[in-house]
Amino acid sequence: EDQVTQSPEALRLQEGESSSLNCSYTVSGLRGLFWYRQDPGKGPEFLFTLYSAGEEKEKERLKATLTKKESFLHITAPKPEDSATYLCAVQAGYGGSQGNLIFGKGTKLSVKP
Amino acid sequence: DTAVSQTPKYLVTQMGNDKSIKCEQNLGHDTMYWYKQDSKKFLKIMFSYNNKELIINETVPNRFSPKSPDKAHLNLHINSLELGDSAVYFCASSIILTGELFFGEGSRLTVL
Repeated sequence: EDQVTQSPEALRLQEGESSSLNCSYTVSGLRGLFWYRQDPGKGPEFLFTLYSAGEEKEKERLKATLTKKESFLHITAPKPEDSATYLCAVQAGYGGSQGNLIFGKGTKLSVKP
Repeated sequence: DTAVSQTPKYLVTQMGNDKSIKCEQNLGHDTMYWYKQDSKKFLKIMFSYNNKELIINETVPNRFSPKSPDKAHLNLHINSLELGDSAVYFCASSIILTGELFFGEGSRLTVL
C-alpha cells in the first residue's frame, strides 16, 4: 500500500537553529515527491517537486533532497516566519493510487525568536 | 486576485441536513480536486475532475456528489450530513495530474 510517514510530528527550534524534517515513503513507481507548507487556517502552499533519487531543490532557507526511500527538508537558520506545518506527498506512477497525491500527516514546525 | 476561491469558509449545520460548497479557479487549469482534512490534519483526496469529467473518485460515500459545470468550477454537495463529515474541505486545481496543486483556503464544516 502506498503511504507516507513524516517525522517528527512536531519540532520546536530557536531562531537560527538548523534542522531537518523527514519524509519516508512507499509507493508504486514514484512519479514525484512534493513538499507543501500549510499555515493555520490556510490551504497548503506548494514548495518543491523532486522526481528522482539524488535530486535537490532550494528556496531561501529550505532545501529538499530525495533518496529512494525518503526525502529530507533541511531548514537552515530558520526564522519565526518559517513556523508552519510542512506536508510531504507522493504521486504514484501505477497501481490503484496512480496519479493521486498521498499526503503524510505533516511536521508542525515552531521557530521561537 | 484569488487563484482558487471557495465558499463558504465556515459551515455549521445539523445532522441530516444537505449542504453545498462552491469552488472557482482563475488559473486556467484543466484539473480540479476536492480534498478532506480531518481532525488529525490528514489530507486525503476525494474527487478529481479534468475538463468537467470525473477522473478520480476515491472511496467516498454516495452522499457526496461533486459537480463541475465548467472547467473553472467544481462544487461539492453533501446529503444527509453525519457527525463524521465534520472536517475542512479543500478545493485545489492543477495542470492535469501534476502534483503541483494550488489550494483554496478551505471550508470548515461542523456537523452538530
